[in-house]
Amino acid sequence: ETGVTQTPRHLVMGMTNKKSLKCEQHLGHNAMYWYKQSAKKPLELMFVYNFKEQTENNSVPSRFSPECPNSSHLFLHLHTLQPEDSALYLCASSPPSGGAYEQYFGPGTRLTVT
Amino acid sequence: AQKVTQAQTEISVVEKEDVTLDCVYETRDTTYYLFWYKQPPSGELVFLIRRNSFDEQNEISGRYSWNFQKSTSSFNFTITASQVVDSAVYFCALRRGYGGSQGNLIFGKGTKLSVKP
Repeated sequence: ETGVTQTPRHLVMGMTNKKSLKCEQHLGHNAMYWYKQSAKKPLELMFVYNFKEQTENNSVPSRFSPECPNSSHLFLHLHTLQPEDSALYLCASSPPSGGAYEQYFGPGTRLTVT
Repeated sequence: AQKVTQAQTEISVVEKEDVTLDCVYETRDTTYYLFWYKQPPSGELVFLIRRNSFDEQNEISGRYSWNFQKSTSSFNFTITASQVVDSAVYFCALRRGYGGSQGNLIFGKGTKLSVKP
């Protein structure tokens, strides 16, 4: 595997389900990000992790719970979601987030909440 | 406040036409970074270019060129001799150079480019 991978690519879940999104980067980066892309809004940053430590939580509801066990893996745990949470969830990575670095994105997980 | 405006929501051109995608940004920072990303139908954002605020030199990469003008706070992207494979949504983004939230990429709403054969 190369670059940034995300699984699953598609997910349909009910409002009472619990599921997790997984992201893995193979670029040797130290920072990882979760973004949400809805149909009618710009890309929204959700969380930033730098060297496994969360450095940014962009006022995300607690029904989204991130986890970063190491610099290569990032999870987004989902529970009791709402239909408006249906979106494309993108993971990205970069060298440390404080530098002048571009972010590299995965293909995203298309989430549908029913 | 930081803001990126891509006024063109959708553009449709015929193959081999040149097309320019506009990007206007707002920031009070003196150090910042500008980016362009391409999002094909597969969904993955593909990095195209990064430009530092202190480097106004324009750049050309094959059929792609970028015009950075601090005087008008613009960072426009031109595709020369467009091809069907250029069809995608293109995002312009801004990031602060220092201070809090350095990792934040602030995206415009994107411009959907359709290139017809």
